[in-house]
Amino acid sequence: KQEVTQIPAALSVPEGENLVLNCSFTDSAIYNLQWFRQDPGKGLTSLLLIQSSQREQTSGRLNASLDKSSGRSTLYIAASQPGDSATYLCAVRSDTDKLIFGTGTRLQVFP
Amino acid sequence: NAGVMQNPRHLVRRRGQEARLRCSPMKGHSHVYWYRQLPEEGLKFMVYLQKENIIDESGMPKERFSAEFPKEGPSILRIQQVVRGDSAAYFCASSQGQGNEQYFGPGTRLTVT
Repeated sequence: KQEVTQIPAALSVPEGENLVLNCSFTDSAIYNLQWFRQDPGKGLTSLLLIQSSQREQTSGRLNASLDKSSGRSTLYIAASQPGDSATYLCAVRSDTDKLIFGTGTRLQVFP
Repeated sequence: NAGVMQNPRHLVRRRGQEARLRCSPMKGHSHVYWYRQLPEEGLKFMVYLQKENIIDESGMPKERFSAEFPKEGPSILRIQQVVRGDSAAYFCASSQGQGNEQYFGPGTRLTVT
């Protein structure tokens, strides 16, 4: 059974810092991996999608890497800003097409 | 180009009543997924539907919960005889097909009093 873990559970940093959020999964037979952002009381915003054949994806200040064999993905946020404060979720998709989510990393970036 | 729409955004029901949650997928999407987020927990898959078909309902509770995605109209998640433990945020996602990226709606927050 696939299990997804995110470390750390919470993170509080001053703005300007570069951050690394970690996601690990127990079954390497994944179709793809997706990183989302969730603001309090809101829905999910997709940030990056990495297919199983890819090693990384970049969008602006965000970079996500995938090491399928070791069951790990990292989300790198460069030059963090207070507007980055949110909960970050990773989710893996197996061939059954459902997403299996981690419990998230709650990020606070203070001025 | 509207995204995934869910209504109502907030729903309050008393114990024993029925709750109906609606999801309209993005234009051109024929696959719908429902997820539930219990307080202080992660999102959990509930059910995956195509038009008029349930593809995977492995995450649905055995009783009181049902889902449909008719040929016309939105997908409906129905909870009969709600209990306090059903209080959660229910999210719908849609995609163009199996293996494609899922796009999420804003969610329906159900409160059972």
